[in-house]
Amino acid sequence: DTGVSQDPRHKITKRGQNVTFRCDPISEHNRLYWYRQTLGQGPEFLTYFQNEAQLEKSRLLSDRFSAERPKGSFSTLEIQRTEQGDSAMYLCASSLAGAVYEQYFGPGTRLTVT
Amino acid sequence: QKEVEQDPGPLSVPEGAIVSLNCTYSNSAFQYFMWYRQYSRKGPELLMYTYSSGNKEDGRFTAQVDKSSKYISLFIRDSQPSDSATYLCAMFIYNQGGKLIFGQGTELSVKP
Repeated sequence: DTGVSQDPRHKITKRGQNVTFRCDPISEHNRLYWYRQTLGQGPEFLTYFQNEAQLEKSRLLSDRFSAERPKGSFSTLEIQRTEQGDSAMYLCASSLAGAVYEQYFGPGTRLTVT
Repeated sequence: QKEVEQDPGPLSVPEGAIVSLNCTYSNSAFQYFMWYRQYSRKGPELLMYTYSSGNKEDGRFTAQVDKSSKYISLFIRDSQPSDSATYLCAMFIYNQGGKLIFGQGTELSVKP
């Protein structure tokens, strides 16, 4: 059973550095989502893709954030010039386009910006 | 005011108790309602989803939706220590993309 995988699981970086996270969705899922979760809060939506097309971006996704899904399979989320406020758990989820109510999450990447 | 409100707890119950977890929401356009379970430092795990008002049962779990009151609940019967986790409600509007709106999460502890 191959669920959603994310890499790395943990990332510690210094303020100002760039970081990139990877998400591999469930293989037959054509929708892929990114969320961010801070301590004691529920996940907040960042962006989502259907195949390779990025269809929606949240206002939370500042210009320093960019996400790609180049071949409609895995996705990357890059944060440029990291700030301490970027410290959070970055979660990836996937679903079928016709079953958006069944989003399956990966284990997340925990980012700490020092 | 947040679109989805959830009491953060923590909620502590003895093993075998019936647990009631609740969320309220303000946007009457929400159509689908989900419950996720999240263990510490793990990703959320989908437990159940419902569409209409009423009850949906899956094993020890029952999800209840009351659209007229904008109130949803998750009941856990015969709670076990392994149920100790944070429970997140989530909801969305079907024709507005795939963005889930989550509650804050309720931390549950089931004591042996």
